[in-house]
Amino acid sequence: GDSVTQMEGPVTLSEEAFLTINCTYTATGYPSLFWYVQYPGEGLQLLLKATKADDKGSNKGFEATYRKETTSFHLEKGSVQVSDSAVYFCALAYDKVIFGPGTSLSVIP
Amino acid sequence: GAVVSQHPSRVICKSGTSVKIECRSLDFQATTMFWYRQFPKQSLMLMATSNEGSKATYEQGVEKDKFLINHASLTLSTLTVTSAHPEDSSFYICSAAGTIGFYGYTFGSGTRLTVV
Repeated sequence: GDSVTQMEGPVTLSEEAFLTINCTYTATGYPSLFWYVQYPGEGLQLLLKATKADDKGSNKGFEATYRKETTSFHLEKGSVQVSDSAVYFCALAYDKVIFGPGTSLSVIP
Repeated sequence: GAVVSQHPSRVICKSGTSVKIECRSLDFQATTMFWYRQFPKQSLMLMATSNEGSKATYEQGVEKDKFLINHASLTLSTLTVTSAHPEDSSFYICSAAGTIGFYGYTFGSGTRLTVV
């Protein structure tokens, strides 16, 4: 069945470091892809999305490109901040959203 | 736009009682709503999908009689945890999709249920 795999965390980075969180997916068709962020004790917020191959989603300095050939949707940010500390979920959707396991990010000053 | 409100944000109940969680789409009509459960430090697991005016579709392993879902209007879905037990303690999150056909991209803020 359809599934999403993410790099295992936790990931700890110093402020202003470059961030990459890898995400790959398995799907029978052409789903939409998303990154969600969850801050402690809160619900999910949509960070960015891409609906077709080669689309690039971007928001708040984060980017991810829908790569059909490698079935990937890696999340990147050039310079992380302490406020970016959260759990990040990669997800795909057809008629429902399927989440990856999540990657915890801690950014230290 | 596309705001989903979930209430309550936290609830503590005694074992054996029932708890109702509401999920409302505030500025759009939600033909489909989804209910997820999240254990600490884990991902979200889809429990069920509800379509307005029809019975919910439950994922494998989810007890229909324990987790009652009602989607009586285009803006409201409820999840009732019946005869709650401590193992039902979890974070429950709803998601709503509008009539434009995009599925489940707006999430509520979640409900922390603790059964004592």
